[in-house]
Amino acid sequence: QQQVKQSPQSLIVQKGGIPIINCAYENTAFDYFPWYQQFPGKGPALLIAIRPDVSEKKEGRFTISFNKSAKQFSLHIMDSQPGDSATYFCAASVTSVAYKYIFGTGTRLKVLA
Amino acid sequence: NAGVMQNPRHLVRRRGQEARLRCSPMKGHSHVYWYRQLPEEGLKFMVYLQKENIIDESGMPKERFSAEFPKEGPSILRIQQVVRGDSAAYFCASSPEGKGFYGYTFGSGTRLTVV
Repeated sequence: QQQVKQSPQSLIVQKGGIPIINCAYENTAFDYFPWYQQFPGKGPALLIAIRPDVSEKKEGRFTISFNKSAKQFSLHIMDSQPGDSATYFCAASVTSVAYKYIFGTGTRLKVLA
Repeated sequence: NAGVMQNPRHLVRRRGQEARLRCSPMKGHSHVYWYRQLPEEGLKFMVYLQKENIIDESGMPKERFSAEFPKEGPSILRIQQVVRGDSAAYFCASSPEGKGFYGYTFGSGTRLTVV
């Protein structure tokens, strides 16, 4: 019940395409859902995050869609660029234990030039 | 304004040796978190420390692993008698005192290889 399931494991898109990464969870107590971007040899960096009281959040070319009833959320990258090639992790946490994130297993994205 | 600093970046240890991983939080941050990333897996929470206190160590293996964050100096994650299964990337993150928690900053990690 503490898992966050992420798919696909890897993804290849052409430049300008819209990769979509999906995550699903079981624990309805989760109330904060961040996405992290990790480049090789680097630590994960916070990209964008959402709370379950909204269904969508946009920051630049990155959009999170959230479906509370289905317990799913997804990351869309608009007009993807080769520089977006990285591993993306979704995560979830509960406000009462906000420091403890449960991470998905990651999606390795490659954007072809 | 340096970020979270971890060293060494890479560490090779033989089975049975000790590994010490260091983490200096961002300036002004007094909360430190350690995560482990096994190959092809997501990060897993290990421990949350404040200065001189362990707040939550629910993710730490029961044996061989310990963590500290002394009044002065970096936080240390110590792994005694390492085994091949300890090979992973270990990431440290920090956050400031009293701020809402959201999206802490990770360091670049220490990649431990046990041979």
